Amino acid sequence: DAGVIQSPRHEVTEMGQEVTLRCKPISGHDYLFWYRQTMMRGLELLIYFNNNVPIDDSGMPEDRFSAKMPNASFSTLKIQPSEPRDSAVYFCASSPAGQGYEKLFFGSGTQLSVL
Amino acid sequence: AQTVTQSQPEMSVQEAETVTLSCTYDTSESDYYLFWYKQPPSRQMILVIRQEAYKQQNATENRFSVNFQKAAKSFSLKISDSQLGDAAMYFCAYRSPNTGNQFYFGTGTSLTVIP
Repeated sequence: DAGVIQSPRHEVTEMGQEVTLRCKPISGHDYLFWYRQTMMRGLELLIYFNNNVPIDDSGMPEDRFSAKMPNASFSTLKIQPSEPRDSAVYFCASSPAGQGYEKLFFGSGTQLSVL
Repeated sequence: AQTVTQSQPEMSVQEAETVTLSCTYDTSESDYYLFWYKQPPSRQMILVIRQEAYKQQNATENRFSVNFQKAAKSFSLKISDSQLGDAAMYFCAYRSPNTGNQFYFGTGTSLTVIP
């Protein structure tokens, strides 16, 4: 398996532009997580899905952020409009179902810079 | 939400020496799992070791071992015979099937290995 695939690896955009981050989880994994990493706040959980259904989106900073998972093999995180404070590394991760012992498999992240 | 605390933002160790990274967590659950992840400069998140709360025996993976103190809600990581390749950010994480199976991460400890 190729692992969790994120694209793009780097994204540079201007304030006010729409940004879409993409994620392909590992086939067969039931959980998908979106995290944001910054120096100040560490790893923040933005939203996670179970079987394509959003379970907890309380970490989504504001209405400018939205996430979808139209099917088991694809998810997007969209920021519209983007702001400089959104600059961070965004990770997608997936995990099999189970009783909690299963580890989280991370993608390589998207480095987002909003100018 | 569960809280995971890593009180050491930065640590350093001499090559070949032993270092211990601290992690505490707050939970009312009895059934949960604990993880240590490593993030080298490449940004990739790598699972180092994991522990089931119902197991009294501390997990060990080669040079990595944990000291799991359930009553104290403490989960420290010991790295023996430190190597230059151990230099990275280390994140402690908590997961419980009783709280939706989401992962809660600490803020990380940056480990420097001195040659």
